[in-house]
Amino acid sequence: AQSVTQLDSQVPVFEEAPVELRCNYSSSVSVYLFWYVQYPNQGLQLLLKYLSGSTLVESINGFEAEFNKSQTSFHLRKPSVHISDTAEYFCAVSDPNSGTYKYIFGTGTRLKVLA
Amino acid sequence: ETGVTQSPTHLIKTRGQQVTLRCSSQSGHNTVSWYQQALGQGPQFIFQYYREEENGRGNFPPRFSGLQFPNYSSELNVNALELDDSALYLCASSFGGRETQYFGPGTRLLVL
Repeated sequence: AQSVTQLDSQVPVFEEAPVELRCNYSSSVSVYLFWYVQYPNQGLQLLLKYLSGSTLVESINGFEAEFNKSQTSFHLRKPSVHISDTAEYFCAVSDPNSGTYKYIFGTGTRLKVLA
Repeated sequence: ETGVTQSPTHLIKTRGQQVTLRCSSQSGHNTVSWYQQALGQGPQFIFQYYREEENGRGNFPPRFSGLQFPNYSSELNVNALELDDSALYLCASSFGGRETQYFGPGTRLLVL
């Protein structure tokens, strides 16, 4: 069965510093990959996704993630973080060959941006 | 365009009771998926409804059941509530169950 590992449960980083949130998934022939962000007491908001094509995907607020098939990874990066990026980040995978496209989520990484 | 909405936002029940949570899908979407997010955990897939039929189920007992209506809104019903059912319940909609799912704000259920 597909699984997702987010090794870092918490990542503290100073404002304007770069950050990388790691995500690894178990091997599959093909996958769809997603990053969602969850602010306190809110639902999940889509940050970016990889479905096919270019392995580097970007969001409108400066995040990017790179699909690495050989490493089975989809790490999230931002070159300069802001206080407002403080949130929980979830990596998710789905199998495009399944009938449901259900998401398998990681356990999340809490990003805390320090002033 | 209206996003995914859920009601109620918060709910407190006692063990053994039954609860119904509601979800309205985003305009144009015909598929609804439900997830349970326990405190400090990632969301876990409960089940999905596509065109009013269950289209996949996660590892949850039968006391978790659902419905989808002709307007593609959905309900999640949980019978015989247990303390471990305390969680944030998230609804997500998509078109044809494909690709990207868009999440509602969730219903926070507390079972005492």
